[in-house]
Amino acid sequence: KNEVEQSPQNLTAQEGEFITINCSYSVGISALHWLQQHPGGGIVSLFMLSSGKKKHGRLIATINIQEKHSSLHITASHPRDSAVYICAGRNAGGTSYGKLTFGQGTILTVHP
Amino acid sequence: GAGVSQSPSNKVTEKGKDVELRCDPISGHTALYWYRQSLGQGLEFLIYFQGNSAPDKSGLPSDRFSAERTGGSVSTLTIQRTQQEDSAVYLCASSLTSLAGAYNEQFFGPGTRLTVL
Repeated sequence: KNEVEQSPQNLTAQEGEFITINCSYSVGISALHWLQQHPGGGIVSLFMLSSGKKKHGRLIATINIQEKHSSLHITASHPRDSAVYICAGRNAGGTSYGKLTFGQGTILTVHP
Repeated sequence: GAGVSQSPSNKVTEKGKDVELRCDPISGHTALYWYRQSLGQGLEFLIYFQGNSAPDKSGLPSDRFSAERTGGSVSTLTIQRTQQEDSAVYLCASSLTSLAGAYNEQFFGPGTRLTVL
């Protein structure tokens, strides 16, 4: 069974701080999505990555496939970054190729 | 271009009634996924379509749940004899393909919030 473990579950920061959210995953997962969900809002895909590093604005995602670990970094955090961040592992094969297994989510609150 | 759309956005029903939830994927996307987000719970997989076929139905909670996809496009998730524990946000996502490669990033719809009284 594919598993995705995410930490921390809750994260509070002051505006401007550098933030890191971590995700570990099991064998059988070939890539990771990082997703964002604002309170009462829909889910937005931030990144999908299977190797290396991706950057979009103040967001950076990295993945180490040997260690089966990914991180989402937010530089110069802002209150509008307050949301739930979810990592989701994409199933590598079989009849379930592409199916996502989700981490528990990290509730991020950035105070002004 | 248009994203994934879902309807209705909200559905309130009485216990025991049947409901149908609709998903319109991004045009040209062959893979379609249904997920559920229960109150206070994480996201869980329900069923996945590649074209009109459903290779993986393993996440459907019971035989009251079924889904179909016609014409490789629109999908309908049906819940029969709804129960209070079915209350959740039902999310649909689509990707260009479910196969290996770079074209399988999933794009999520806004969800249908189902409340069973």
